[in-house]
Amino acid sequence: NAGVTQTPKFRVLKTGQSMTLLCAQDMNHEYMYWYRQDPGMGLRLIHYSVGEGTTAKGEVPDGYNVSRLKKQNFLLGLESAAPSQTSVYFCASTRDNGNYGYTFGSGTRLTVV
Amino acid sequence: EDKVVQSPLSLVVHEGDTVTLNCSYEVTNFRSLLWYKQEKKAPTFLFMLTSSGIEKKSGRLSSILDKKELSSILNITATQTGDSAIYLCAVPREKLTFGTGTRLTIIP
Repeated sequence: NAGVTQTPKFRVLKTGQSMTLLCAQDMNHEYMYWYRQDPGMGLRLIHYSVGEGTTAKGEVPDGYNVSRLKKQNFLLGLESAAPSQTSVYFCASTRDNGNYGYTFGSGTRLTVV
Repeated sequence: EDKVVQSPLSLVVHEGDTVTLNCSYEVTNFRSLLWYKQEKKAPTFLFMLTSSGIEKKSGRLSSILDKKELSSILNITATQTGDSAIYLCAVPREKLTFGTGTRLTIIP
């Protein structure tokens, strides 16, 4: 059981470059989430999806876009990276929000220079 | 807007002490409250609480929900250095909203 897999694990970008983070889950979960975590802080929700083909904004969506073309994948895109987007990014998924636990990926450490 | 607040933000205690972490929430259509422990990497699940007044226990950790007070506490007894972590609570709705977390440091 792979659970939730995030790729890449580490990345360094130059300001203005673009990239896509991939979150893949093999548990047939409906709900998927992207969070960022800055040093010493909690998890802040960027975007989330309640099913294939749906996306919605979280607390800090600016500068990010997402897509959920396939149920098992949730992509997070940075069109023009900024130093303020240096963070650790976590993906999570769940079968049914509120009734089951959430499974987290191991994180992507992104540095924008 | 859903709100989840944790206190204290940071706590430093000596090994062997007992600690109590707090989580309060303001959400509509409450279904459950989750506690997670985060060390270096991804958060790991501790407890899910749905019913008021029923304690969930796992070893030295326990947690209880008070729906009347819209809050939950996480207790850790006989703390060890391995308990040093950020403890997060979250209330699932369509979004999973986390509190800011409590950073717990155990001094040997």
